[in-house]
Amino acid sequence: NAGVMQNPRHLVRRRGQEARLRCSPMKGHSHVYWYRQLPEEGLKFMVYLQKENIIDESGMPKERFSAEFPKEGPSILRIQQVVRGDSAAYFCASSPPGGGDQPQHFGDGTRLSIL
Amino acid sequence: AQSVAQPEDQVNVAEGNPLTVKCTYSVSGNPYLFWYVQYPNRGLQFLLKYITGDNLVKGSYGFEAEFNKSQTSFHLKKPSALVSDSALYFCAVRDGRTGFQKLVFGTGTRLLVSP
Repeated sequence: NAGVMQNPRHLVRRRGQEARLRCSPMKGHSHVYWYRQLPEEGLKFMVYLQKENIIDESGMPKERFSAEFPKEGPSILRIQQVVRGDSAAYFCASSPPGGGDQPQHFGDGTRLSIL
Repeated sequence: AQSVAQPEDQVNVAEGNPLTVKCTYSVSGNPYLFWYVQYPNRGLQFLLKYITGDNLVKGSYGFEAEFNKSQTSFHLKKPSALVSDSALYFCAVRDGRTGFQKLVFGTGTRLLVSP
């Protein structure tokens, strides 16, 4: 039973380029969350999505960042016109529908480096 | 607003000795509490959770945690540490009220178990 799959594992971009990070949730999970981890820090919530809906984007920067979780295919976190400060590890988590007492299961992350 | 404090950046313990990793939290509704472990270049692995019921919860790999409502704490414990337990540990809290799904994480505690 595959876990949460994220790709790519490592992504290098130059300033001003676009970064696209993908996340396929665990089988049977319909809730997806994105978190960002800066070096030597904890994870910070960015966005919570269900299929075709953004439920909570209170942690998303107002500009350049967007997320989607289409009916078919993986969830995508998109960062436009990247800057050095976007360098971080981005983690996706998923949980099953229904109870909020279910733990979120995490992927291994995408490590984004901005040159 | 939710918050989590992990007061120790690092905990050092000798193999075979008991270990404790501390966590205190603040949340408006009922707390849903979680512990995760992170190994280098990996995502977070779920260890255990407290939702309701017994204050002592048992989880994976021999870990347990004690919920203390009056002290708003959820300390992680293990009776006998292994060298392989050396990793980064994160405490997280979720507001148990309907509509609150995001996890708020502490800054993490690095556990170092010496042989």
